[in-house]
Amino acid sequence: SYELTQPPSVSVSPGQTARITCSGDALPKKFAFWYQQRSGQAPVLVIYKDSERPSGIPERFSGSSSGTTVTLTISGVQAEDEADYYCQSADSSGTYWVFGGGTKLTVL
Amino acid sequence: EVQLVESGGGLVQPGGSLRLSCAASGFTFSNYWMNWVRQAPGKGLEWVANIKQDGSKKYYVDSVKGRFTISRDNAKNSLYLQMNSLRAEDTAVYYCAKGGDGYNPWGQGTLVTVSS
Repeated sequence: SYELTQPPSVSVSPGQTARITCSGDALPKKFAFWYQQRSGQAPVLVIYKDSERPSGIPERFSGSSSGTTVTLTISGVQAEDEADYYCQSADSSGTYWVFGGGTKLTVL
Repeated sequence: EVQLVESGGGLVQPGGSLRLSCAASGFTFSNYWMNWVRQAPGKGLEWVANIKQDGSKKYYVDSVKGRFTISRDNAKNSLYLQMNSLRAEDTAVYYCAKGGDGYNPWGQGTLVTVSS
């Protein structure tokens, strides 16, 4: 079955830039999506179609894609950005969806 | 305001059944794919199933195929997940989510606990 691979954790100090990667064989052909999940809350979409930002999401959130890896970048990290972040994409057939294992972002 | 509200979760014995519902409001429900995603306690997100706008196409993660059935009633703006032959490993918070350009938004989730 198809898998997306994320680092388990990333730590940054306030004001620094956090980068969270997600790797998968089908990512050159399929869009990726990113979700933020704060503790005890439902996930929230922060990036869609690799690099698009939904309305209401701060500009410090951005996404990029290169080959089999997509990256979520949070510039000028704030304490409120501490959360779990999940990438999502479809397999090569476009039929089945998967989430990465999640990355816990810690703001030091 | 777009809103999704799940219900129907609870405690069920292994081998039992449960039907989850998701009430949608604030958007034209019949225009969107709809999705179920679950999260086991302390674990990550797992896509469970999705259904096309008119219900003609349904897809499931392998671990629930033959046991779970996704359905929708566009007249009632509602999404359902019928869960049969439940196992301990199905214990999770179940979220419904509106499709489109990403899953946006998500409901608050409903907890399903499978235990004797």
